Amino acid sequence: DAKTTQPNSMESNEEEPVHLPCNHSTISGTDYIHWYRQLPSQGPEYVIHGLTSNVNNRMASLAIAEDRKSSTLILHRATLRDAAVYYCIPAGGTSYGKLTFGQGTILTVHP
Amino acid sequence: SAVISQKPSRDICQRGTSLTIQCQVDSQVTMMFWYRQQPGQSLTLIATANQGSEATYESGFVIDKFPISRPNLTFSTLTVSNMSPEDSSIYLCSVDRTNTEAFFGQGTRLTVV
Repeated sequence: DAKTTQPNSMESNEEEPVHLPCNHSTISGTDYIHWYRQLPSQGPEYVIHGLTSNVNNRMASLAIAEDRKSSTLILHRATLRDAAVYYCIPAGGTSYGKLTFGQGTILTVHP
Repeated sequence: SAVISQKPSRDICQRGTSLTIQCQVDSQVTMMFWYRQQPGQSLTLIATANQGSEATYESGFVIDKFPISRPNLTFSTLTVSNMSPEDSSIYLCSVDRTNTEAFFGQGTRLTVV
């Protein structure tokens, strides 16, 4: 499994953009980059994933470096509900359910 | 999406006893996964449960301690056997029905005293 490095914590103000970085320099060529988040007292929830191109969905954007060794999750306008632990997880193969979670980034959003 | 129900949501158990956690999914899935989240830590995969075959355990987890059943395509159980305080954790089940993302239950918070 590819090793990931994320900041332990980050802070943001409400309605400001947040850029959450992740290094995954040992990612395999076929692994997608997945992002999950875990809100307090809940199970993780899927945020976004991508392979090479930048991706957008209703929750966030994912910017992937050209060499795929790093990626950045972008929350365009942080809300208090976005306060969570964010996990960057390279995954692929036959199952996207078999996930290796790192320590993640604790995001604090200030009102 | 997938709706996953776990029971119980929390429990306090005496050391030396066993607890069986149930996971029910609202649709049929091939694989179900069981994770453990120790206090203040990230999630660790315990095992993968396929219907009709024995579960596949990750390094550091054994069937005698965490027996798993998978009687059909919508249900699985995880038993935490002969519990000690070190087993106090949140246990979560998940599925990957869409083959692009995983869905998690709310978890079972276990405290062993």
